[in-house]
Amino acid sequence: SSELTQPPSVSVSPGQTARIPCSGDKLGNKFTSWYQQKAGRSPVLVIYQDTKRPSGIAERFSASISGNTATLTISGTQPVDEADYYCQAWDSGTMFGGGTRLTVL
Amino acid sequence: QLQLQESGPGLVRTSETLSLTCAVSGASVSDNSHYWAWIRQPPGKGLEWIGAIYYTGSTSYNPSLKTRVAMSVDTSENQFSLRLTSVTAADSGVYFCARRGSYGSGYDYWGQGTLVAVSS
Repeated sequence: SSELTQPPSVSVSPGQTARIPCSGDKLGNKFTSWYQQKAGRSPVLVIYQDTKRPSGIAERFSASISGNTATLTISGTQPVDEADYYCQAWDSGTMFGGGTRLTVL
Repeated sequence: QLQLQESGPGLVRTSETLSLTCAVSGASVSDNSHYWAWIRQPPGKGLEWIGAIYYTGSTSYNPSLKTRVAMSVDTSENQFSLRLTSVTAADSGVYFCARRGSYGSGYDYWGQGTLVAVSS
């Protein structure tokens, strides 16, 4: 079965750039979305269709895709960005990555 | 402002059927450009897609749950529902309803989630 692989955790200092990868078979042929989930809250869509940012999402959130890996980039990371991040793609339905805990310290 | 609100019992007995409803306000489930989905999250774990339904009643389910899942849509009440049969403790967690657009557009609106515990 298809899977999306993310690192369990990423740490970054405030003001630095955080990069969260998501790898999966033929991911470049499937649209990828990204979600931010803070503790006890519902997920929030931050990126869709690989690189598009919904209205209301800060410009410091961006994404790219190369081959089988999609990457969420947070530029000038702020303490408020500390959360779990999930990638999601389409393959006979929806699949989610296992999630990455972003720590800003 | 579009809102989704899950409702249903917080406790389900092992081997019984979990039933949840998602009430939609600020939008119509009959909107032909959107799909309506259920996604769950076991305690301390990641997100798992359960399935999605279109206003026509057309459904798509997670293959790992397909034999136990049924979704329905009620356009007159502007809501959609989930039934999951033969539940076990592994089905415990927070259940979210959500909306997505066309292929690739992502789940742009989510309910607040409802916690379901499965216990004997």
